[in-house]
Amino acid sequence: QQQVKQSPQSLIVQKGGISIINCAYENTAFDYFPWYQQFPGKGPALLIAIRPDVSEKKEGRFTISFNKSAKQFSLHIMDSQPGDSATYFCAASTQTSGSRLTFGEGTQLTVNP
Amino acid sequence: DVKVTQSSRYLVKRTGEKVFLECVQDMDHENMFWYRQDPGLGLRLIYFSYDVKMKEKGDIPEGYSVSREKKERFSLILESASTNQTSMYLCASSPQGPETQYFGPGTRLLVL
Repeated sequence: QQQVKQSPQSLIVQKGGISIINCAYENTAFDYFPWYQQFPGKGPALLIAIRPDVSEKKEGRFTISFNKSAKQFSLHIMDSQPGDSATYFCAASTQTSGSRLTFGEGTQLTVNP
Repeated sequence: DVKVTQSSRYLVKRTGEKVFLECVQDMDHENMFWYRQDPGLGLRLIYFSYDVKMKEKGDIPEGYSVSREKKERFSLILESASTNQTSMYLCASSPQGPETQYFGPGTRLLVL
């Protein structure tokens, strides 16, 4: 019930391509869905987040698409750059869990020049 | 600028040793968290704290304990380190509610 399943585990994309990472959840009480980005040797940092009252949120080249009925959300990185190479984590939380996040397994993205 | 610091970047310990990992945040955040990160398993919550002297078990608390005597400091304790506790340990803090978690750089622990 509390799990968030993330795929793929690793992804290789050419520079300028679109990177797509998917997450699925079971707990319908989840109402906050952030994505975190982690570079080697660093801790994760918030990239972008969405709440279920909207189906899409865009910040620059990064877009979250949210499908409430399917209980899925995804991260799209347009015009992927080598500097986007990192590990990406989706996460979810509920109102009652406060700040506690349930994280997906992570996706290691490599963008080739 | 927000800052979460962890006492060590790398640690090597022997099986059976007691290990202390320290985390300090300078943002006056109420919440603090300890995670371990392993390839293919993502970030798994060990313990978290909503307030000074308060602690809650996360998903994998076995073999760990925590201490929060001051608001800015959250310690993770491995009472008797074992080889299966070799991992990357990440500390995070956040304000109350579904807010951004701010992570430290992590401590890579090797237990021999």
